[in-house]
Amino acid sequence: QKEVEQDPGPLSVPEGAIVSLNCTYSNSAFQYFMWYRQYSRKGPELLMYTYSSGNKEDGRFTAQVDKSSKYISLFIRDSQPSDSATYLCAMSAINTNAGKSTFGDGTTLTVKP
Amino acid sequence: SQTIHQWPATLVQPVGSPLSLECTVEGTSNPNLYWYRQAAGRGLQLLFYSVGIGQISSEVPQNLSASRPQDRQFILSSKKLLLSDSGFYLCAWRPDDVGLAGLYEQYFGPGTRLTVT
Repeated sequence: QKEVEQDPGPLSVPEGAIVSLNCTYSNSAFQYFMWYRQYSRKGPELLMYTYSSGNKEDGRFTAQVDKSSKYISLFIRDSQPSDSATYLCAMSAINTNAGKSTFGDGTTLTVKP
Repeated sequence: SQTIHQWPATLVQPVGSPLSLECTVEGTSNPNLYWYRQAAGRGLQLLFYSVGIGQISSEVPQNLSASRPQDRQFILSSKKLLLSDSGFYLCAWRPDDVGLAGLYEQYFGPGTRLTVT
């Protein structure tokens, strides 16, 4: 079983919809959580990071961490066609060897105009 | 600001040929460096990481090797490519100050798409 599981999708929504992307994990040592966005044939780019439990908001994006359930989410409000991409969650344990992260396999999102 | 470069962007190589992919980082010193491979429609597989010059750790035994001849240079190599080496190769860096909040995220290069024929 993988340490990080992510809904593979694909997910298709109309423009303006609220999108929820989710990951679950099994390693209770994970305390640092990240979301990356990857456009087709490009390298991933960091969207947001959060430390421990709670919410963090950045514009139309909200990252949520529930450590008791080992569940993290990324919400996208007022989704736009430019949000169409693959979204990867990633997690690290504090003081992990060389700062390695464990990545989910990604969820592919399409926002239709 | 920091930037990361990878080249070549695209590569088509025959089975059995050698490989050398290069990654360089600008604007930072002593970064942690990483090589990943991403198969089509799949997640990131960590291949190698390095915490300093000449220090390489391998995550998965395979046909590839890595070297770090300079602080901000990371090279992925193979003596003889296999068909299974095809994929999207990504280099990433992060600051080396482990333990401080805000420093676990990694920054990725544009990637090299390798096709072995």
